[in-house]
Amino acid sequence: SAVISQKPSRDICQRGTSLTIQCQVDSQVTMMFWYRQQPGQSLTLIATANQGSEATYESGFVIDKFPISRPNLTFSTLTVSNMSPEDSSIYLCSVERAGGEETQYFGPGTRLLVL
Amino acid sequence: GENVEQHPSTLSVQEGDSAVIKCTYSDSASNYFPWYKQELGKRPQLIIDIRSNVGEKKDQRIAVTLNKTAKHFSLHITETQPEDSAVYFCAAVDYKLSFGAGTTVTVRA
Repeated sequence: SAVISQKPSRDICQRGTSLTIQCQVDSQVTMMFWYRQQPGQSLTLIATANQGSEATYESGFVIDKFPISRPNLTFSTLTVSNMSPEDSSIYLCSVERAGGEETQYFGPGTRLLVL
Repeated sequence: GENVEQHPSTLSVQEGDSAVIKCTYSDSASNYFPWYKQELGKRPQLIIDIRSNVGEKKDQRIAVTLNKTAKHFSLHITETQPEDSAVYFCAAVDYKLSFGAGTTVTVRA
């Protein structure tokens, strides 16, 4: 499996501010995804990060709130904008390797607390 | 879109006993079914997966079965050990990975 890192691992932010989370993979991957996991809950897909084009957002998530970049095949960022306490969650990136295996591997996550 | 239901939400077993978690899915187009284990404060880790052309798959103490007709799949853990204590998520893939709500498994020593 790919080695996936995320920065920061955790943060405490004030409401109204924004935080950018980075996801780095040690090898080129075809697909990168961003998930949210609220406390004690399951994982919900926010968007698919497409290399060289705009991300594809799931229902209930919009680009203005969660802008995503993917400048190359090993790196992506997710920004949580204009944060409120309801944005307090774990944010995880995942990757799917080439070959159409559909298997996703997750990064360690970013724990966000918004006060 | 895909809807995955998972039962039970919590499961407590005696060490050495078996644990079974069941999931159902709604989209007959789903063709890939992974299972993830998430320990407290850690990332979800893939433990086993099964594709729609296979009915059963086993890896040491873990096995997964799939019934495409009934649209349900199950995780079986035999000879449970304390380190099996975690939250387990089933998932189904049509065009995206859709997760069940999770099962908290506690193995009592």
